[in-house]
Amino acid sequence: LAKTTQPISMDSYEGQEVNITCSHNNIATNDYITWYQQFPSQGPRFIIQGYKTKVTNEVASLFIPADRKSSTLSLPRVSLSDTAVYYCLSPSGSARQLTFGSGTQLTVLP
Amino acid sequence: DSGVTQTPKHLITATGQRVTLRCSPRSGDLSVYWYQQSLDQGLQFLIQYYNGEERAKGNILERFSAQQFPDLHSELNLSSLELGDSALYFCASSAFRTENTEAFFGQGTRLTVV
Repeated sequence: LAKTTQPISMDSYEGQEVNITCSHNNIATNDYITWYQQFPSQGPRFIIQGYKTKVTNEVASLFIPADRKSSTLSLPRVSLSDTAVYYCLSPSGSARQLTFGSGTQLTVLP
Repeated sequence: DSGVTQTPKHLITATGQRVTLRCSPRSGDLSVYWYQQSLDQGLQFLIQYYNGEERAKGNILERFSAQQFPDLHSELNLSSLELGDSALYFCASSAFRTENTEAFFGQGTRLTVV
């Protein structure tokens, strides 16, 4: 089964760039990597998705190396409101479940 | 607003009872996913439907069941409720069958079993 591994928690300060790395050693050829953000008591929200190299949108960048065994979510100039749990997803195994791992609790400090 | 509507927002019920949670997906989305999130826990995948058919099943208890209707709305039925079933239940929808598609989540139903 494809499984993702990411740090349990990270702290940062306002205005800094934050990079969260996810390991997905068994990613399948056709799988994309997707990142979601979740605030307490709210449903997760899609941030960004990519297949290889680099993807950028208005809120984040996603870097995926050639071997695709890992990916890095980059949040530029974080603010207090970016404090949330960030999940890295990749479709899981033959059941093709949209499975969330433990996520990374990002805490942005003033 | 994600476009996914879940009702009710809050539900308080007693142990042993049965409840039904409802989810209306975004217009045009054919896939519906259900998740359970207990306090300070991660999102546990329960089940997925695509265009009325069950497509994937996760760690869903036998006391729980779900279905997706012809109008694509979905219901999650929880029976013989236990205290441990207290959690936030999220529904998500996506346009296509592939999990490489962006999923949109509702605001959840908070179930409290007393």
